[in-house]
Amino acid sequence: SQQGEEDPQALSIQEGENATMNCSYKTSINNLQWYRQNSGRGLVHLILIRSNEREKHSGRLRVTLDTSKKSSSLLITASRAADTASYFCATDRGTGFQKLVFGTGTRLLVSP
Amino acid sequence: EAQVTQNPRYLITVTGKKLTVTCSQNMNHEYMSWYRQDPGLGLRQIYYSMNVEVTDKGDVPEGYKVSRKEKRNFPLILESPSPNQTSLYFCASSPLRQGNSPLHFGNGTRLTVT
Repeated sequence: SQQGEEDPQALSIQEGENATMNCSYKTSINNLQWYRQNSGRGLVHLILIRSNEREKHSGRLRVTLDTSKKSSSLLITASRAADTASYFCATDRGTGFQKLVFGTGTRLLVSP
Repeated sequence: EAQVTQNPRYLITVTGKKLTVTCSQNMNHEYMSWYRQDPGLGLRQIYYSMNVEVTDKGDVPEGYKVSRKEKRNFPLILESPSPNQTSLYFCASSPLRQGNSPLHFGNGTRLTVT
C-alpha cells in the first residue's frame, strides 16, 4: 500500500517562480525524505527531515513537516529549467529506513 | 566514483525465460534494496537485504528472488517472468544507520516481458 501521496500530480511553472509540492502519509514515521528523479533515471536524495524537526533548508530547498497532520511540503525557490523532474517523498513507516515507502510523485515542469 | 551499477539498462525477454538483473555497489554499504516503478504506482519495494546472507521481502516480492552472497552484489532473479513484471527496476543501497541514511540509486533497468 502507498504510504505517501504527493500533491499535485503535476505542476507547471515559469523559471524564477517558486514550486511547492505536498506529501501526505498515513502512519507514524521516524523521518521523511525527498528525492528527485530525472526522466526515468535513478532517484537522487535531496533532503531528510526527522520527525522531531519542523523545518529544514538546503540551498533553494525548504522542507516542512507537520506530524500532527501527517504531511510535508517541499518548496523550491527561484526555480530553474534544470529543476524539471519528478519529486517523491519517502517515509519509513516508523519501522526504520529499511522499508522506505515512496509516494507516486509530483511531475514538475519549469519553462524558461 | 561512488555508485550503484545495474545491468543491463534495457532488457526485452519472453514469458518464462529466466533472467537476472545485476546490481553492484562500491560504497561498502550494508543495506541494499530492489524497487519497481510503474506509472501511477510510484516505487514499490520488492526485496531488501540488511547484510550478507540476510534478505527479506518488501511489499511486492511475488515472482522475484534475490541473493546476497557478497556485500557489494545484490542480483534480482526472475525465474519465470510474466508480462505483469514489465517495469522499470531500481537497485539502491545505503549504510546501515537507522533513520538517517539516504538511499543511493542505480540508473535503472527497463524490463519488457512479451
